[in-house]
Amino acid sequence: GAVVSQHPSWVICKSGTSVKIECRSLDFQATTMFWYRQFPKQSLMLMATSNEGSKATYEQGVEKDKFLINHASLTLSTLTVTSAHPEDSSFYICSASPQTGDGYTFGSGTRLTVV
Amino acid sequence: GDSVTQMEGPVTLSEEAFLTINCTYTATGYPSLFWYVQYPGEGLQLLLKATKADDKGSNKGFEATYRKETTSFHLEKGSVQVSDSAVYFCALRETSYDKVIFGPGTSLSVIP
Repeated sequence: GAVVSQHPSWVICKSGTSVKIECRSLDFQATTMFWYRQFPKQSLMLMATSNEGSKATYEQGVEKDKFLINHASLTLSTLTVTSAHPEDSSFYICSASPQTGDGYTFGSGTRLTVV
Repeated sequence: GDSVTQMEGPVTLSEEAFLTINCTYTATGYPSLFWYVQYPGEGLQLLLKATKADDKGSNKGFEATYRKETTSFHLEKGSVQVSDSAVYFCALRETSYDKVIFGPGTSLSVIP
């Protein structure tokens, strides 16, 4: 089945530094990938839609200059949290689908802790 | 806009009990409907799906039927196990866009 790999699974960084999270579709091509954020015991909040070869589409209220998304190939999207602060600490999850109308496959998530 | 509502948790059941987690949705078109499961510290896994009215999705003993007339997609399992303890998310995929909208999630704890 479709597999989405996310890396790293957890990261601790200092305030003011930047962190890059990778999302790869391992056995299919994904022109579109999605980035979600999940706070403890809460649902997933869609942050942005990553489009291969073009700019990402951000949801309302998400700072595009803070959460930089790059989708340089059909199998890789990256999310960079720039100038991270403790309030950026969260669980970030990416997803992609091999087919339109099908369910999405999710990465295993990245636990970001900013200290 | 489109939305998904789920019954509030947490839900605690004894092993072998019957499970129902209610899910209703609001959508302007004809969305695809999904149930995802999230185990502690992990990402989401697709549990089952239904793409049109009256479709029944099933997997690992779980079932859900796409009811257009009641805009519902309730999750059921006849006999839960301790290993079913997780958070369950109902979700829809909009027909006009690719993005998926999630319900708030329902935490299930199954005790021996």
